[in-house]
Amino acid sequence: NAGVTQTPKFQVLKTGQSMTLQCAQDMNHNSMYWYRQDPGMGLRLIYYSASEGTTDKGEVPNGYNVSRLNKREFSLRLESAAPSQTSVYFCASSRKPTGNSGNTIYFGEGSWLTVV
Amino acid sequence: KQEVTQIPAALSVPEGENLVLNCSFTDSAIYNLQWFRQDPGKGLTSLLLIQSSQREQTSGRLNASLDKSSGRSTLYIAASQPGDSATYLCAAMNRDDKIIFGKGTRLHILP
Repeated sequence: NAGVTQTPKFQVLKTGQSMTLQCAQDMNHNSMYWYRQDPGMGLRLIYYSASEGTTDKGEVPNGYNVSRLNKREFSLRLESAAPSQTSVYFCASSRKPTGNSGNTIYFGEGSWLTVV
Repeated sequence: KQEVTQIPAALSVPEGENLVLNCSFTDSAIYNLQWFRQDPGKGLTSLLLIQSSQREQTSGRLNASLDKSSGRSTLYIAASQPGDSATYLCAAMNRDDKIIFGKGTRLHILP
């Protein structure tokens, strides 16, 4: 059971280049998320998808686009990368636990993106 | 719009002390609240999950409480140890499945 898999793990881009971060989960979760993490800023939600075929803006959506390709996959695209988008990106998926314990959200290992 | 705030941003305490980390949220219509731990350069580890109908959860030396009416949650760590040094994050899940994180509290336990 792989959980949440995101690629690439590391990427260096030049300003103005485009790229897509890929994310897939094998837990049959309805909801998927993209966050960015910068020093001292916690995790900030970029976009999320509550179900296949739907996407919604989070806290910091500008400069990004997303695609919920199917229930398993949720990609994040930077159309024209800027140095301000240098960050660590985390993909996640979630379920709503029905019991009194358990985890809500499961994370990928992170993608370190540098824009020069 | 849900906003999650964590106070303090950083905390240093001597080993063995009990401590409390605070988390507040603006929209009380949450589905659940979860506490995570993150070590430098690593991903997030889930610590405790509190459903909206619950008031607290306990795991070992950790106890998390939830007061929806006041929009607050606390994480209590008993008998702190140097291995507890990490960043602690709280996250509120809304009923539309949006999950918003606080900025975290950086905890340093002094040996």
